[in-house]
Amino acid sequence: EVQVVESGGGSVQPGGSLRLSCEVSGFTFSGFWMHWVRQAPGKGLEWVSRLNTDGSDTSYADSVKGRFTISRDNAKNTLYLQMNSLRAEDTATYYCARDPGIYYSDFFYMDVWGKGTTVTVSS
Amino acid sequence: QSALTQPRSVSGSLGQSVTISCTGTNSDVGGYNYVSWYQHHPGKAPKVMIYAVSKRPSGVPDRFSGSKSGNTASLTISGLQTEDEADYYCCSYAGSYTLLFGGGTNLTVL
Repeated sequence: EVQVVESGGGSVQPGGSLRLSCEVSGFTFSGFWMHWVRQAPGKGLEWVSRLNTDGSDTSYADSVKGRFTISRDNAKNTLYLQMNSLRAEDTATYYCARDPGIYYSDFFYMDVWGKGTTVTVSS
Repeated sequence: QSALTQPRSVSGSLGQSVTISCTGTNSDVGGYNYVSWYQHHPGKAPKVMIYAVSKRPSGVPDRFSGSKSGNTASLTISGLQTEDEADYYCCSYAGSYTLLFGGGTNLTVL
């Protein structure tokens, strides 16, 4: 079964750091681009970041650029999101999602999603 | 990177049709044929319903269809069923390997 499972969420004070993980199974992780998407309480989905297959190329939403870093360990089938200088507005459920293109994105969308992990930034 | 514009809510009767619009700019919706639509039931994982403007993934009922004209994309759901009640989000490629979501539309099936 194709699956992605996020972990690492929790409560942190403003200015703090947190690292999210996304462990995948059921498919060849190294062959797919991956994304992080978040949803703040009562708000809509917001795309956060994307990473190519070997981790050499990244892109970020302006709202997190310079503070968040996406990475992957293909040997561990795991995607990461290092979040630094956290702000109250980063409070959200963070989803990990797969782009179904093989080694490259054909249509720039996400076909496999996890159930999310929740991050709360508050003093 | 302003969110794409969607109506906050739409409603339709059981068996009827509804259309959800998604308006962007020449830099996103109008510039690429890479609009996708996601169904999201609270507490669950989002599910892709349409990709590349009008393509349906396997397993998605053909009651769901997508289209685009200029800077506006649309999702049409025909033959509304109770399980269609959910939040729907459009998403567009916005260049430089970035994506942009709409604000979301809550669909109520009457």
